[in-house]
Amino acid sequence: GAGVSQTPSNKVTEKGKYVELRCDPISGHTALYWYRQSLGQGPEFLIYFQGTGAADDSGLPNDRFFAVRPEGSVSTLKIQRTERGDSAVYLCASSRRQGYQPQHFGDGTRLSIL
Amino acid sequence: QKEVEQNSGPLSVPEGAIASLNCTYSDRGSQSFFWYRQYSGKSPELIMSIYSNGDKEDGRFTAQLNKASQYVSLLIRDSQPSDSATYLCAVNMNYGGATNKLIFGTGTLLAVQP
Repeated sequence: GAGVSQTPSNKVTEKGKYVELRCDPISGHTALYWYRQSLGQGPEFLIYFQGTGAADDSGLPNDRFFAVRPEGSVSTLKIQRTERGDSAVYLCASSRRQGYQPQHFGDGTRLSIL
Repeated sequence: QKEVEQNSGPLSVPEGAIASLNCTYSDRGSQSFFWYRQYSGKSPELIMSIYSNGDKEDGRFTAQLNKASQYVSLLIRDSQPSDSATYLCAVNMNYGGATNKLIFGTGTLLAVQP
C-alpha cells in the first residue's frame, strides 16, 4: 500500500538552473495534482491531470513552469530558469478520479533556489 | 475576499478539551470539503471529508457543514498533545467537472497544552 512518492525530497540549486521534480501516484489513481506551499500558507494549486492530459493548468504561475504525465502514471514538474521566488515545497497529490474524491499528498519536494 | 478563510490562530486548548476549528468559503457552488492535518515540516494528511449538510463523525473528529452559511467546521473531542498541528480547510472547486482543484485556507495552528 504505497502512498504518493515524490523525488527528490530536497533540491538545492542556483538561480537560473533547470529542475525536474518527480511524482509517482498511488496505484490505480487516475487523477494527479501539483501544488506549491510557501511558509505559513496553505498549498496553492498548480496543475491537474486526468490520465495523460492536463485538465487544468490555470495555477501554473508563468511559462517557466511545465508538467507532463506521458503514460498516465508518473508525472514530472519542470521549472526552467529558476528564480529565488520559486523556493517552496512542491506537493503532489493523487485521487481515484475526479468528482470530489479525496486527494492524498506525498511528502513533497523542498526546493531551494540560491 | 479570500476563497477559503480560516483564523490562523494559534488556538490553544487544554488537554482533554474540545477544539473547534472554523472555515468559511466564498463559492456557493462548492460541493466537497476536506480537513487536512499538517505537522510542522510534513505534508498534509487527510483526516475528514464532508459533502452534505450536517455532521459527520469519525472517532474523536466531527466535521460540520452548513452550505447556506458557507461554513464548515471541525471539532476535536478529548484533545491530545499529539493533535497539535496546523489544520487546513480545503474546498473542491469542481466548476461543473472542468477541474478538481482544491483551494486551501491558510490553516489554523492548534496547540494542545498538557
